[in-house]
Amino acid sequence: DAKTTQPPSMDCAEGRAANLPCNHSTISGNEYVYWYRQIHSQGPQYIIHGLKNNETNEMASLIITEDRKSSTLILPHATLRDTAVYYCIAADNYGQNFVFGPGTRLSVLP
Amino acid sequence: DVKVTQSSRYLVKRTGEKVFLECVQDMDHENMFWYRQDPGLGLRLIYFSYDVKMKEKGDIPEGYSVSREKKERFSLILESASTNQTSMYLCASSPSKGVSPYEQYFGPGTRLTVT
Repeated sequence: DAKTTQPPSMDCAEGRAANLPCNHSTISGNEYVYWYRQIHSQGPQYIIHGLKNNETNEMASLIITEDRKSSTLILPHATLRDTAVYYCIAADNYGQNFVFGPGTRLSVLP
Repeated sequence: DVKVTQSSRYLVKRTGEKVFLECVQDMDHENMFWYRQDPGLGLRLIYFSYDVKMKEKGDIPEGYSVSREKKERFSLILESASTNQTSMYLCASSPSKGVSPYEQYFGPGTRLTVT
C-alpha cells in the first residue's frame, strides 16, 4: 500500500508562502498524489493532484520530486482562510489506497 | 458547480432509534461513499457504492447499512443508534473508476449526537 506521512502541524504567517511536505516513498507508478483540505466543520475539499509533473491551479502548486517519493503543496500567499487540515493521498485512478491519514494542521497567523 | 448535499447538518437521536442519513449528488457520479470522522481517528470509510443497488463494506461497517435505489442518492442507516455512533458523518461521490483523475467530492457533513 502506498502510505503518506505528513508533519502533524505547521504555522505560516499571513501573506507568506505555505509549503506543506508529504512523503510517499512507496508510491506506485500508477498512483497520483492528491491534496485535499478540510476547514473546520466542513467536508474535505479537493485542491490539486499530480502524477509526475509539477502542477498549478488557482488554489495551489504541487511540486513532485523526480523520484516521486515526496511532494510539496505550496499556497503562494496564505490567508487566514487557508487555516485547515491538509491531507496528502497517494491513490490510483481506481481509488485504490484512497485513504485519508491524519494530515497536517496548518495555522495561518496574522 | 459540483454539489453533494446531506439532509441535515446537525442531528440528535436517542439510543435505540433508527436513523437515516441522506446524501444526494448532482454530478451523475457512479461512486458514492459514507465516512465517519472522529477526533484523532481521521476519516474512516463505512460503506461505498459503485452503482445503483450495489454496495461494498468499507473499514468499519458494523452497526450500519446503506441503500442506493437511485444513482444520485445514497442513504446511511443506523438500525439501532448507539452512543458510540456519535460522530461527524461525511458523504462523498466520485466519477467512474478509471476516470482520470480519481477525485472525491464531499458534502458538508452531518454531526450526529446519540444520547
